[in-house]
Order: sequence, then C-alpha cells, then structure tokens
Amino acid sequence: NAGVTQTPKFRILKIGQSMTLQCTQDMNHNYMYWYRQDPGMGLKLIYYSVGAGITDKGEVPNGYNVSRSTTEDFPLRLELAAPSQTSVYFCASSTHEEDEKLFFGSGTQLSVL
Amino acid sequence: AQTVTQSQPEMSVQEAETVTLSCTYDTSESDYYLFWYKQPPSRQMILVIRQEAYKQQNATENRFSVNFQKAAKSFSLKISDSQLGDAAMYFCAYPMYSGGGADGLTFGKGTHLIIQP
Repeated sequence: NAGVTQTPKFRILKIGQSMTLQCTQDMNHNYMYWYRQDPGMGLKLIYYSVGAGITDKGEVPNGYNVSRSTTEDFPLRLELAAPSQTSVYFCASSTHEEDEKLFFGSGTQLSVL
Repeated sequence: AQTVTQSQPEMSVQEAETVTLSCTYDTSESDYYLFWYKQPPSRQMILVIRQEAYKQQNATENRFSVNFQKAAKSFSLKISDSQLGDAAMYFCAYPMYSGGGADGLTFGKGTHLIIQP
C-alpha cells in the first residue's frame, strides 16, 4: 500500500518559472490537502479538497492553484515562482470519517532562485 | 481563529530519561481531537498519538503518553525512556473546525527534541 505519493522530491526553479507538484493517494480518501513548511515553522495550509471537483483556499493560497479531477490526484501548480515560495511542500489526505488525522506524503523540497 | 502554541522551540533530554513537550490551544468547540506528529530528519510526518476530547482517560502509545487538561486547553506529550530514535521535531495539531466539519489541521511551530547519549 503506497499511501500518499509526492513527486518530485526535490526541485530548483528560477524566478518566474512554473511547475506542478504531483500528489496521488491510493487509500480512496475524499479529503486532500497541500501544506507548506518554512524553516523553523509549522505547516500552513495552502489549499484543500473535500472531493473530486471541489477545492477551497487555506491560509496561504496566493501564488498557487489546484485542481481535483479524480479522487486519487491533487496536483499543486505554481505559475510564476518567487523566492518566497522556497519551502517544503507536503500533500496529505484523510478519511474525515472518525477523526481528522492526516496521512502525509514524504514532501517536496522546492528552491526558487 | 483556532491557534496552537508550542512554547518550547527546543528541548534536550538524556537517553533513557523522561521529557515532556508542552502544547496549548484555543477553541470554542466542546468535542474534538488533538494530535502529536513527529518529523525526524527524513522529513516524513508521523502520527505519534491522538486524544479525543470527550474521553477522560489520557491516551497512551507505548512510551508516549499525553497529559490532556481540557479546561486549561493544554495537551502535553510525555516521552518515557527516551531513545536516540526519538530525536525529531514534534508538532502539536488541532483540527480547523468550520460549520461543516474540519478543513485540515492547524499546527504549532514545533519543538526540536535533542536526545543526549
């Protein structure tokens, strides 16, 4: 059982470039999330989705876009990369049935130079 | 807004000793869950323990236990018989409840736990 899979694990971008961080889960979870973790800080929610075709903004959505065409996939798009987007990005999912615990991917280290 | 506060940026403990990590939170909910996650140098986020607010008994998972004080909105993590593998960042987390349920977890800033051999 793979759980939550994120690709790539590392990426370096130049200012103004764009890229998509991929996230897929094989647990049939309806809820999926994107977080960013800046050095020495906790995780902040960027976007979340409660099911295919439904997405909503979290605390720090500016500069990002998401889509959810299937239950399994929840990609995060950076359109015009900025140095402030240098961070570790985590995708997570949950069943949202009993409690709210999250299952995390292994993260993507992104540097924008 | 729901907030989670971890007041100890860093803690150090001798191997085999006991250490307690603090967490306080703010909420107007009466029934909820609380979580502690561990993040070792591998970066993976690992669920350590969870607590249901309506349960009087503190949760325990092997060497990990919590001291949950609902009235004080306090949720500390106790690690007994500390091991070198316990060295990590520890995050306290609380659900972001809205009208229809929770929309993810909100995390504290974390406590960096150092284990001295």
